[in-house]
Amino acid sequence: AQSVTQLDSQVPVFEEAPVELRCNYSSSVSVYLFWYVQYPNQGLQLLLKYLSGSTLVKGINGFEAEFNKSQTSFHLRKPSVHISDTAEYFCAVRESSNFGNEKLTFGTGTRLTIIP
Amino acid sequence: DTGVSQNPRHKITKRGQNVTFRCDPISEHNRLYWYRQTLGQGPEFLTYFQNEAQLEKSRLLSDRFSAERPKGSFSTLEIQRTEQGDSAMYLCASSSYLPGQGFGLTYEQYFGPGTRLTVT
Repeated sequence: AQSVTQLDSQVPVFEEAPVELRCNYSSSVSVYLFWYVQYPNQGLQLLLKYLSGSTLVKGINGFEAEFNKSQTSFHLRKPSVHISDTAEYFCAVRESSNFGNEKLTFGTGTRLTIIP
Repeated sequence: DTGVSQNPRHKITKRGQNVTFRCDPISEHNRLYWYRQTLGQGPEFLTYFQNEAQLEKSRLLSDRFSAERPKGSFSTLEIQRTEQGDSAMYLCASSSYLPGQGFGLTYEQYFGPGTRLTVT
C-alpha cells in the first residue's frame, strides 16, 4: 500500500515570488508520481508526472518537480507564480506496474493562494 | 475529444433517498474509475472498470453503493438509503489501458468535473 503526505495545507505566496509545495510518499514497491491541480468547481488536471529517467520533470504552466528517491519526496516548484495559479494542488502515487489497477493514492492537498 | 463529463453536477437529497450519478468517459478510453473526495481531503479510490467488467472495489464502497458500466461506455454510481456521511464530491476518471504499450498515455487519468452530493 502507498501513502502520500502533504504537510502544508495552505501556502500563501506573493505574486511573482517562487513557491515550493512539498510532497512525501511511502511505499513498499516502486511508484509513479503525479501532481494534479484542481481549480474551484472543476475536476483534476494533470500538471506533471514522473515515471522514470530524469528526476527533474517539467509540466504545464511553468511548474516542475524533482523526484528524490532517498528522501521519498516529489516537491513541486514554480519560480514565479501568478494570480491564476491560485488553486488546490494534489500529489498522488500509484504502483509502477504495467498491469492491474492503476488507482491513484492522493495526499490531502495544498491550497495555494497568490497574494497580489 | 470532449473530455470526461458527469451528471448531475450538484445533487441535494434527503437522508434515506436513493441517488444515481452518471459518468461519460472519453470515447476511446476503456478504463473508468470512481473516486470520492470529502471536504479537506484528497480523492479516494472507490472502484474501477475495464470495459464493462468491474475489476476492483474499495472497502469504502459499502453495500449501499453499486456501480455499473453495462456497455463499456458510460458508467453509473448509485447510492441507496443515503446517509449524511455520503456527502462528498464524486469524481470519475478515464484512461486508455493497452497492455504492453509501455510508458506514456496509459498512465494518465483524465478527470471529470465531479458531482457534488449533499445529504440533508
